[in-house]
Amino acid sequence: AQTVTQSQPEMSVQEAETVTLSCTYDTSENNYYLFWYKQPPSRQMILVIRQEAYKQQNATENRFSVNFQKAAKSFSLKISDSQLGDTAMYFCAFLQYNNNDMRFGAGTRLTVKP
Amino acid sequence: KAGVTQTPRYLIKTRGQQVTLSCSPISGHRSVSWYQQTPGQGLQFLFEYFSETQRNKGNFPGRFSGRQFSNSRSEMNVSTLELGDSALYLCASSLRPPGSLSSGNTIYFGEGSWLTVV
Repeated sequence: AQTVTQSQPEMSVQEAETVTLSCTYDTSENNYYLFWYKQPPSRQMILVIRQEAYKQQNATENRFSVNFQKAAKSFSLKISDSQLGDTAMYFCAFLQYNNNDMRFGAGTRLTVKP
Repeated sequence: KAGVTQTPRYLIKTRGQQVTLSCSPISGHRSVSWYQQTPGQGLQFLFEYFSETQRNKGNFPGRFSGRQFSNSRSEMNVSTLELGDSALYLCASSLRPPGSLSSGNTIYFGEGSWLTVV
């Protein structure tokens, strides 16, 4: 079974600084998706970034980028120029191709300090 | 366009009762998934529906059930409520089943339904 591990329960960063959140996963599959979701206090899950496993190029979305290391089964999220609005829980998620059961990590609580 | 809408947002039930939660997906989306979020177990997959058919089911007891209507709206039901069913129930919708290999198949979540069992 696929598992997702986020080893950092909590992190903090100063406003305008850069922070990296870690995620590792375990799978024997070759085709899958990886996601980072943000959950602010409102509790709505918001998609931050998505990576298809067959793509070697790392995904980027404005201030958010990932470091996808398929062989190492690692998928870290880098947030540049951190803003106060980035304060939230961040979940790493795995979704196997042709399966609809998304597996989430335990989450990392990120606090951006002014 | 409107996002994923879940109702009710908050509810309190007594042990032994049953509850029905509703999810209206984004217009045009035909896949609806349900997740349970608790502090102890995190986010866990309940089930996924596409075109009124349950395609996947997570590891939950039979007290948890769901269905999808022809307009893609979905309901989930929990019978004989237990204290441990207290959780945030999240619904997600997408154009196609989440596992479809399609770059445009973004999965959107609703704000959730908070269920407290006392």
